[in-house]
Amino acid sequence: DQQVKQNSPSLSVQEGRISILNCDYTNSMFDYFLWYKKYPAEGPTFLISISSIKDKNEDGRFTVFLNKSAKHLSLHIVPSQPGDSAVYFCAAKDGGGGSNYKLTFGKGTLLTVNP
Amino acid sequence: KAGVTQTPRYLIKTRGQQVTLSCSPISGHRSVSWYQQTPGQGLQFLFEYFSETQRNKGNFPGRFSGRQFSNSRSEMNVSTLELGDSALYLCASSLGAGAMIVYFGPGTRLLVL
Repeated sequence: DQQVKQNSPSLSVQEGRISILNCDYTNSMFDYFLWYKKYPAEGPTFLISISSIKDKNEDGRFTVFLNKSAKHLSLHIVPSQPGDSAVYFCAAKDGGGGSNYKLTFGKGTLLTVNP
Repeated sequence: KAGVTQTPRYLIKTRGQQVTLSCSPISGHRSVSWYQQTPGQGLQFLFEYFSETQRNKGNFPGRFSGRQFSNSRSEMNVSTLELGDSALYLCASSLGAGAMIVYFGPGTRLLVL
């Protein structure tokens, strides 16, 4: 079963506009969430994260919102730039306590920012 | 500081063969985890090693195995390759087991014919 879902395989936006990437999760034990960006032929790069005790985290043009009651998080990119075109992965940490953890990833959303 | 390195970057094998992939973590990082990326399934967790011990394992068959050496370098082995094993295999390192953020290498692209 898919515990982290990114229901939009792709998203296309105009340069300068806002990009909103969505992610839903089902596991209530997830306590930390991350977004990674991946360019072709490269490994994923960490972008931004949020702890379950917060509902918003901001880093420059990137903001992540967490709605725990809805088990939903979103990544906002404002303003979008052509260099932001990449696959974005949502990931969640399944701690279960202690140091044994793993990251559970969504299938990714391909963002295309058109000039 | 050098990033995570993986060798080889590309590999072609035939069904039934076995393969070994290598990963060198960022200097000072002691935890290494492995993921498989396929178009249909996204990134799926294979296993994590810390201090030469497997700490966590994903839902993959026993044909997938790994190990970690005293210098934190890690290897992943897949025996009796199947066509469905064709994927990008990503290694990620972090300072310690349970670290919140992991840093990925560029991956090894494996094609099984």
